[in-house]
Amino acid sequence: NAGVTQTPKFQVLKTGQSMTLQCAQDMNHEYMSWYRQDPGMGLRLIHYSVGAGITDQGEVPNGYNVSRSTTEDFPLRLLSAAPSQTSVYFCASSPTATNEKLFFGSGTQLSVL
Amino acid sequence: GENVEQHPSTLSVQEGDSAVIKCTYSDSASNYFPWYKQELGKRPQLIIDIRSNVGEKKDQRIAVTLNKTAKHFSLHITETQPEDSAVYFCAALFSGGYNKLIFGAGTRLAVHP
Repeated sequence: NAGVTQTPKFQVLKTGQSMTLQCAQDMNHEYMSWYRQDPGMGLRLIHYSVGAGITDQGEVPNGYNVSRSTTEDFPLRLLSAAPSQTSVYFCASSPTATNEKLFFGSGTQLSVL
Repeated sequence: GENVEQHPSTLSVQEGDSAVIKCTYSDSASNYFPWYKQELGKRPQLIIDIRSNVGEKKDQRIAVTLNKTAKHFSLHITETQPEDSAVYFCAALFSGGYNKLIFGAGTRLAVHP
């Protein structure tokens, strides 16, 4: 198993551009989530999904969209990039939506100029 | 709201000393509390977790305690070693809407030889 795979590893955008961060897992996990990590602010939940077709907002959802059309994939879309979205983004999955270990991807370093 | 507070933000100890990191959470219904360790440039990884039906859990040099009445839990690392140097995150599972894991802001632990 590859686990949780994120692409790209690094990305530079100009303000106003849009892009999609990809996340895929091959462990048949129901639960998938996106976090952003900023210095001194920990891991903040952006959006999450408890199964195909079901998504919900986390702590900081503004400026981001998600969809979950398959169990394996959970892409994160930046609609119009802003410098405030410069961050490290982590995708994570777990077998179910309740009290189980999160498996993290390796992260995407995004810079918005 | 859904909130996890973590203290201290930085912690410096001498090798062999103990380290304690404390977290409080806002929702008395939360029932799952994991701790993650993130080494520099790496993804977070689960090191220990505790559920609300127990007050303490140990795994070698690491222990976690939970006080549900006070809504706080702590990570204890004994006989610290330089390889314990990392950022540690606590988290709590919140069940408003679907279940979601909310993290504290992190503690940067430095263990000096």
